[in-house]
Amino acid sequence: EIVLTQSPATLSLSPGERATLSCRASQSVSSYLAWYQQKPGQAPRLLIYDASNRATGIPARFSGSGSGTDFTLTISSLEPEDFAVYYCQQRSSWLFTFGPGTKVDIK
Amino acid sequence: EVQLVESGGGLVQPGRSLRLSCAASGFTFDDYAMHWVRQAPGKGLEWVSGISWNSGSTGYADSVKGRFTISRDNAKNSLYLQMNSLRAEDTALYYCAKVERGSSSAFDYWGQGTLVTVSS
Repeated sequence: EIVLTQSPATLSLSPGERATLSCRASQSVSSYLAWYQQKPGQAPRLLIYDASNRATGIPARFSGSGSGTDFTLTISSLEPEDFAVYYCQQRSSWLFTFGPGTKVDIK
Repeated sequence: EVQLVESGGGLVQPGRSLRLSCAASGFTFDDYAMHWVRQAPGKGLEWVSGISWNSGSTGYADSVKGRFTISRDNAKNSLYLQMNSLRAEDTALYYCAKVERGSSSAFDYWGQGTLVTVSS
């Protein structure tokens, strides 16, 4: 099973700051890496798929990069609505796993 | 508008069974693989199972393999999860999710979930 590790566990930032979230896979996942945002009481929202493609309706301040085992989600300038938990997720054949999440909270 | 509506959750005793359903609308259901993802209270997301558009391929997390069975009925635009031999650790909110159009590796639409509580 491919294990995803996310860092940091918590990121404390102010609105307007840049957020950089990391996701590392225990073995190569090629570009089969997605990022989700989840707010309390809500279902997850797809932000990025295939490592760097923004999902429909996702603002340009969200960007993804990486391939193989190391991936990054960048939020260029945090808006108040961006404070949430972010998960990465990979696919390997018919096995999928999520990372433990990074909480982005207000400093 | 894409809609995924889960049902079938509830309180069940350990060792018993439960069948979850997901009613899909707003898209061509039989064009897409579908998945179940769960979230235990206060915890992260855990992928449970997935099924291809024609039921030809399925996958299961190790934690549910041999106990859970995923299926679909394309004529009814419905996805199912048969859960047997339930354990306390299966307690979670179960989401139904559709794969993203351009990639079969990500989930672009999610339901609101159905809560399964396993307790005596």
